[in-house]
Amino acid sequence: EAQVTQNPRYLITVTGKKLTVTCSQNMNHEYMSWYRQDPGLGLRQIYYSMNVEVTDKGDVPEGYKVSRKEKRNFPLILESPSPNQTSLYFCASSFTGGINGYTFGSGTRLTVV
Amino acid sequence: AQSVTQLGSHVSVSEGALVLLRCNYSSSVPPYLFWYVQYPNQGLQLLLKYTTGATLVKGINGFEAEFKKSETSFHLTKPSAHMSDAAEYFCAVSEDKAAGNKLTFGGGTRVLVKP
Repeated sequence: EAQVTQNPRYLITVTGKKLTVTCSQNMNHEYMSWYRQDPGLGLRQIYYSMNVEVTDKGDVPEGYKVSRKEKRNFPLILESPSPNQTSLYFCASSFTGGINGYTFGSGTRLTVV
Repeated sequence: AQSVTQLGSHVSVSEGALVLLRCNYSSSVPPYLFWYVQYPNQGLQLLLKYTTGATLVKGINGFEAEFKKSETSFHLTKPSAHMSDAAEYFCAVSEDKAAGNKLTFGGGTRVLVKP
């Protein structure tokens, strides 16, 4: 089944403790992207990648890192999480960028206390 | 820069009634437009999209949307609401290939369907 898989689905952590949210797609998509969803703000792009080893900042990149060493994986790294990073995170992938729409993962609900 | 405005963060409709969700966008170039639906505790699912061609676009689950360039709108409709339509709906625009065809989302509209 074609899908984007994120792990974990739920995570509660403490301020300053490094964490990684994994994202993997099995559709051989070039484009991958991370979004965070906050009430009333919709989804905002954190980082995106147009291919292996090609990443760039989105609208809200502060406090996040990403890497794209393989085409299928696009992990999101929070080096020192803070409470304002409490949010619902989505990974998404696409063949042709946004033209035909992205396939989204099921989301990771992160709480930083 | 592109932006998307969804009028109404919450909409309540009766089962069988018309569903109308409003979306207006700003874009400096002809945009690609999307509607996504998010059911509780799930990711976003593509409902329909407009890229080029016919301005009335049909999607899944009986939804359709019309691209009106003069009004910079892409409103979503469904003639008869069903209980299973209760979800949050997001309008999105994409125009900038250099930025990975970033999707810019509206704030979302949560639909409640009353029996």
